[in-house]
Amino acid sequence: SAVISQKPSRDICQRGTSLTIQCQVDSQVTMMFWYRQQPGQSLTLIATANQGSEATYESGFVIDKFPISRPNLTFSTLTVSNMSPEDSSIYLCSTRDRREGELFFGEGSRLTVL
Amino acid sequence: AQSVAQPEDQVNVAEGNPLTVKCTYSVSGNPYLFWYVQYPNRGLQFLLKYITGDNLVKGSYGFEAEFNKSQTSFHLKKPSALVSDSALYFCAVRDIESSNDYKLSFGAGTTVTVRA
Repeated sequence: SAVISQKPSRDICQRGTSLTIQCQVDSQVTMMFWYRQQPGQSLTLIATANQGSEATYESGFVIDKFPISRPNLTFSTLTVSNMSPEDSSIYLCSTRDRREGELFFGEGSRLTVL
Repeated sequence: AQSVAQPEDQVNVAEGNPLTVKCTYSVSGNPYLFWYVQYPNRGLQFLLKYITGDNLVKGSYGFEAEFNKSQTSFHLKKPSALVSDSALYFCAVRDIESSNDYKLSFGAGTTVTVRA
């Protein structure tokens, strides 16, 4: 199983600022996923990031708000832009086991926007 | 479209008693089914999965789940719960016959509390 490291693990941010979350995987993976978990809620897929192509965003999420980079097969970043208190969430990076599809998750980045 | 329902927001059991966390799913094709656990301030940990084969699958920490195609269910079970099993549990599904088969849909989650 892949080991996924995320940073920062948590941060407190001011309204209107942007924060970039980094995700590092210990092996080369084709697909990386970014999820959002709002307080007390389930996981919602933000986007899928494949190396060498633009990220694919889910309904309700746009690139201007959540730009994603995927420069190589082990690394991705998610930026939360122009933050508001509604962006206070846990943001989770994940990747998939190639053969059978279970996801492996990082520890998450807990953002609080004041 | 694929979806998962976890009908119980919370499950409370005494330590040593059986634990069941319910999950039903909806897919147009055949499902891959998963259970994850989330401890406080942690990411999600994979518990077990059903892909094909035996309907009863065994996973980590003594958990098991039974796939029931006729009832479209995949309930998580543990014969004897521990206080350390207290956590948030998520059921998830992939429709392997969908054009977007890489996507996982998660249930709302069930908070399990095991009292000593």
